[in-house]
Amino acid sequence: QQQVKQSPQSLIVQKGGISIINCAYENTAFDYFPWYQQFPGKGPALLIAIRPDVSEKKEGRFTISFNKSAKQFSLHIMDSQPGDSATYFCAARGRGGGADGLTFGKGTHLIIQP
Amino acid sequence: DSGVTQTPKHLITATGQRVTLRCSPRSGDLSVYWYQQSLDQGLQFLIQYYNGEERAKGNILERFSAQQFPDLHSELNLSSLELGDSALYFCASSAWGTSGNTIYFGEGSWLTVV
Repeated sequence: QQQVKQSPQSLIVQKGGISIINCAYENTAFDYFPWYQQFPGKGPALLIAIRPDVSEKKEGRFTISFNKSAKQFSLHIMDSQPGDSATYFCAARGRGGGADGLTFGKGTHLIIQP
Repeated sequence: DSGVTQTPKHLITATGQRVTLRCSPRSGDLSVYWYQQSLDQGLQFLIQYYNGEERAKGNILERFSAQQFPDLHSELNLSSLELGDSALYFCASSAWGTSGNTIYFGEGSWLTVV
């Protein structure tokens, strides 16, 4: 059972454009939603995270938009740069999910074309 | 550098064999998590330990086991290995086990079963 659904699987964006990755979750007990960035040969690294009591969080060029009623959240990368090319994972965490570990989406392979 | 250390980085072994993956968490982190990453299944949560005790179980096979030692390092034991066990195994750690605490990932152990 996939509790966090992520789309698209892959995304190609021109340099300077906006990259948008979407996630939807099922378990209403989730209460922490991080995004991780993974470069080839490296482990995932926390990029930005949000709790459901806010609808948006911005850190530099990265913004999370959160819609609690729709059980959806998305990552927006403004002014996308070639160095942003990586795999991005959304995740969710909460005791109601049955574990303290993160439940990940399947990832989005992002390519920023120069 | 996340501060989470995993050994070995690469491992090739035959079907039916047993291997042990080792993880040293970030200094001071009490919680250790194990994840499996494969192309078709994405990042799957396997198991979590907190201060030496098993805290949560995810999609961990019965052939797999883990433990966390008094010095907080952890080992993941994989036995009766099958070709399908070939994957990247990540260890992660956090300061404590409650929802919202940042989870830091190591660089992973590549396991190839031939």
